[in-house]
Amino acid sequence: EVQLVESGGGLVQPGGSLRLSCAASGFAFSSYAMTWVRQAPGKGPEWVSSIRDSGSNTYNADSVKGRFTISRDNSKNTLYLQMNSLRAEDTAVYYCAKSGHTGMDMFFDYWGQGTLVTVS
Amino acid sequence: EVLLTQSPATLSLSPGERATLSCRASQSVNSYLAWYQQKPGQAPRLLIYDASNRATGVPARFSGSGSGTDFTLTISSLEPDDFAVYYCQQRKFWPPLTFGGGTKVEIK
Repeated sequence: EVQLVESGGGLVQPGGSLRLSCAASGFAFSSYAMTWVRQAPGKGPEWVSSIRDSGSNTYNADSVKGRFTISRDNSKNTLYLQMNSLRAEDTAVYYCAKSGHTGMDMFFDYWGQGTLVTVS
Repeated sequence: EVLLTQSPATLSLSPGERATLSCRASQSVNSYLAWYQQKPGQAPRLLIYDASNRATGVPARFSGSGSGTDFTLTISSLEPDDFAVYYCQQRKFWPPLTFGGGTKVEIK
């Protein structure tokens, strides 16, 4: 059974930092691109960052470029999101999501339960 | 950036009725469009990928159609469990990956 379990969210002051983790199990983690998607209260999903299966390429939304860094450790089946210089508008539930196919087919067949980040 | 416009914003229907949800892209995304269902307090759930392919375990009453700029998600006969918010998402032109604003299907 595929499982994605996020952790690391919480309350942080503006300008602060957090590191989110997503522990993956039940599939060949190193074969799939992974993505962080966030959802502000009452809003729709917003793509944040994606990383290739090997970790060799990363992609970021303009809204987080220069502040957030996505990474992965395939030996630990874990995805990360380092968030620096946090702003009030980064307040959201952050989900990690697995790509539906191997390669860079960027639709998401499994999602974690989400972790809440509150910047205040 | 590809803008996805979903309509209507809210759809009020009764169980057993047919639901037709629309997603329009600001430029052609070929068939690279997915649909998700989201219930309160839960993560989105993949329903349809590449416009018309049902994801694993998705009931046959859900179907997707369209290509280019106009897409439709149809729920043939609404079950009580289907009342939720539905989002479309394109993967043709990225970054950025983009989602639509959502359609809420509510009980009439």
